Amino acid sequence: ILNVEQSPQSLHVQEGDSTNFTCSFPSSNFYALHWYRWETAKSPEALFVMTLNGDEKKKGRISATLNTKEGYSYLYIKGSQPEDSATYLCAFTNFGNEKLTFGTGTRLTIIP
Amino acid sequence: GAVVSQHPSRVICKSGTSVKIECRSLDFQATTMFWYRQFPKQSLMLMATSNEGSKATYEQGVEKDKFLINHASLTLSTLTVTSAHPEDSSFYICSARGPGVGELFFGEGSRLTVL
Repeated sequence: ILNVEQSPQSLHVQEGDSTNFTCSFPSSNFYALHWYRWETAKSPEALFVMTLNGDEKKKGRISATLNTKEGYSYLYIKGSQPEDSATYLCAFTNFGNEKLTFGTGTRLTIIP
Repeated sequence: GAVVSQHPSRVICKSGTSVKIECRSLDFQATTMFWYRQFPKQSLMLMATSNEGSKATYEQGVEKDKFLINHASLTLSTLTVTSAHPEDSSFYICSARGPGVGELFFGEGSRLTVL
């Protein structure tokens, strides 16, 4: 059974501060790791898809790293803004299997 | 990016009735769509993979006669919860494989409450 763990479950961060959270996944037979941002009442929005060990991707103030050997990915947000408030989901796929297995998400609240 | 629209966003129904949820890809063709369910404080769980023109593939433990999936066109997949019961109350969300490699685009989700 695949198990994707995200921590922390929820997080409150002061506006302007930087933050990060973790996604851990099974390292065997790894294919891809996805990060999504999910705002309330909207569709989950794809942030990153990473496949290679050591991958680092960046989109504005948000970046992510990937360690496939130890089975974890970090998502970083620099200089948090209120619009960053959302649930951040990670999802994992095995090699040869297109199905996404999701974590429960990290719910981020930015305090103005 | 590609847009997926899901309807209705909320539905309340009586026990024993059937409810249909639609998932449309608005600006691209989707040969494959996925249906997920999320219970409170749990992760999105894949229910089934919907393939245009063929039968859906259901995950273990998901009753195919209970959750009917139809993917009759390249832009529309439907999930029908038949003879709904209170335990079927949940958040249902679809996704579609977009034109890019590895990209999945999600609908807004549908919250079903069965009384």
